[in-house]
Amino acid sequence: GAVVSQHPSWVICKSGTSVKIECRSLDFQATTMFWYRQFPKQSLMLMATSNEGSKATYEQGVEKDKFLINHASLTLSTLTVTSAHPEDSSFYICSARPWDVLTYEQYFGPGTRLTVT
Amino acid sequence: AQSVTQLDSQVPVFEEAPVELRCNYSSSVSVYLFWYVQYPNQGLQLLLKYLSGSTLVKGINGFEAEFNKSQTSFHLRKPSVHISDTAEYFCAVRPSGSSNTGKLIFGQGTTLQVKP
Repeated sequence: GAVVSQHPSWVICKSGTSVKIECRSLDFQATTMFWYRQFPKQSLMLMATSNEGSKATYEQGVEKDKFLINHASLTLSTLTVTSAHPEDSSFYICSARPWDVLTYEQYFGPGTRLTVT
Repeated sequence: AQSVTQLDSQVPVFEEAPVELRCNYSSSVSVYLFWYVQYPNQGLQLLLKYLSGSTLVKGINGFEAEFNKSQTSFHLRKPSVHISDTAEYFCAVRPSGSSNTGKLIFGQGTTLQVKP
């Protein structure tokens, strides 16, 4: 149980285009989902926290107009990188926190490798 | 605010040898503590967690960690490593308050390199 999927697993796009990444909790409902960015050989940097049905909370320094997050249902959150540039190339990982408040864990997706050319 | 420091960026070790990956944290409030493992080009997998109770926690794949409140440490250990343990390991904390969103604060990561 507690499986989180991401789609696509990797994507290559041209500079100036937009890319959407999906994060799904497959066997549980997630009131909260988190989006992380990871550069090579570095730690995970939290970009934003999204709660179902409300606006995402972005971390300091993250452009909310560039990284659009939608959490329309209890099993799906999307991250759209708008007008992507080569510096947006990175590994994006989502995690989901189950609805059950007694659960202290987050479950991580397998990540999406974005390359902007 | 919380912060996590993993004291070693890389730990090389021979197969079947013991290993310890060090993690220290700072926080003005009580926290929950986690260790995650990341294999290349994959997401994170939970190894173990400390929420309360016994300070020695056992996780998957033969790993264990000990919470030391006075030293604000949560070091990860394994008595005998395998080649397959080669991966990146992350220590993380989150405040234990019920109002917390569950946001995790990660350390910088430690690369465990197991050599034959």
